[in-house]
Amino acid sequence: DSGVTQTPKHLITATGQRVTLRCSPRSGDLSVYWYQQSLDQGLQFLIHYYNGEERAKGNILERFSAQQFPDLHSELNLSSLELGDSALYFCASSVADGRYNEQFFGPGTRLTVL
Amino acid sequence: AQTVTQSQPEMSVQEAETVTLSCTYDTSESDYYLFWYKQPPSRQMILVIRQEAYKQQNATENRFSVNFQKAAKSFSLKISDSQLGDAAMYFCAYRSASPQGAQKLVFGQGTRLTINP
Repeated sequence: DSGVTQTPKHLITATGQRVTLRCSPRSGDLSVYWYQQSLDQGLQFLIHYYNGEERAKGNILERFSAQQFPDLHSELNLSSLELGDSALYFCASSVADGRYNEQFFGPGTRLTVL
Repeated sequence: AQTVTQSQPEMSVQEAETVTLSCTYDTSESDYYLFWYKQPPSRQMILVIRQEAYKQQNATENRFSVNFQKAAKSFSLKISDSQLGDAAMYFCAYRSASPQGAQKLVFGQGTRLTINP
């Protein structure tokens, strides 16, 4: 158990819908990262937040957005869902964003868009 | 942009034997970290081993060791005395060490390792 929690574990929804994935980092971790794992794109970085502020964006679609709240939990919002958005979404957290801080991964949320 | 390439989509090894997984990367940075992650059927991402680019000594963690060739931009993982529990997808990953650099992990496509009893 990495100490990072993600809810829900599984999510099945229809095209065009909107979903919210939630991540609670390890106690004391200020940084949250979101990654997407799909069959065709592999593991890709989406976005990084540090202490409530956006620090870096990867190949995140405009239909996707994220935020980190004052209690440091983070949410990834996916809207106008398409079949290709079906994937495993990981959240990872680290203490800070300095030279080296190991990223601890949550168990992931498996999203299926039908 | 940094890229990571794993040229072996699948590998298999007999239990108790040794196997080496290959990884190459491309970067213009001189200071970075390299990692091997294991993803078993549970899908949990587990850090196996990490290497700091400025360290010449290859990292070792019990049965896992790396061969880091900085000039060749090569970073292979050797698993000794393979066990059934080692069966998983293995990902090579890169991360910048620059405070101004992106802190994201850049992953390779993965190598699926099968252990034959």
